[in-house]
Amino acid sequence: QVQLVESGGGVVQPGRSLRLSCAASRFTFSHYAMHWVRQAPGKGLEWVALIWYDGSNKYYADSVKGRFTISRDNSKDTVYLQMNSLRAEDTAVYYCARDHNGDGYSYMDVWGKGTTVTVSS
Amino acid sequence: EIVLTQSPGTLSLSPGETATLSCRASQSISSNYLAWYQQKPGQAPRLLMYGASSRATGIPDRFSGSGSGTDFTLTISRLEPEDFAVYYCQQHGRSPPRIFGQGTKLEIK
Repeated sequence: QVQLVESGGGVVQPGRSLRLSCAASRFTFSHYAMHWVRQAPGKGLEWVALIWYDGSNKYYADSVKGRFTISRDNSKDTVYLQMNSLRAEDTAVYYCARDHNGDGYSYMDVWGKGTTVTVSS
Repeated sequence: EIVLTQSPGTLSLSPGETATLSCRASQSISSNYLAWYQQKPGQAPRLLMYGASSRATGIPDRFSGSGSGTDFTLTISRLEPEDFAVYYCQQHGRSPPRIFGQGTKLEIK
């Protein structure tokens, strides 16, 4: 069935960088917008970033704007999240999620299992 | 920017009972673009409802959504043990940011 698999999480020191990947399978990846959503330990869901189906538009939460970059490679069915200047408050499980539409205006109908990022010295 | 407030924070019920979860928006949500997600411990969220009242694929009809404008409700009838989880509402159908409510934890009484 339709699947999203995140990777790239780990433990990183404050101020350093990390790149997350999310590999899609069993659907036409290039037709859909993709989101990253995170969840800090014991907290609720926080939307992080969105990229349109063709990569032409990208949006970010204020909390990560200027530090995180979302991108995609439709030839590899993969979406990425480049995270720079990491802070302790970025510690979370990061989920990628498929938007039901190509422009990101719809609901998130498929979710990956998440990858854990811990920012600590 | 819309703020979504869910209530109650925690709801304690027994299997077989009916759960009523509320999501209130700080401004009207056009075309009822409101989704609900379920999250069990250690798992990713799962889409339950969209468009306020449409069930996602595979969601049993014990789950129903209603509401319009600023007030929305998720009702779970005949609670099953697997229904005890955290539920989040989220607005869709407009440009980002995408806002989630803070969640309602449905726990076994």
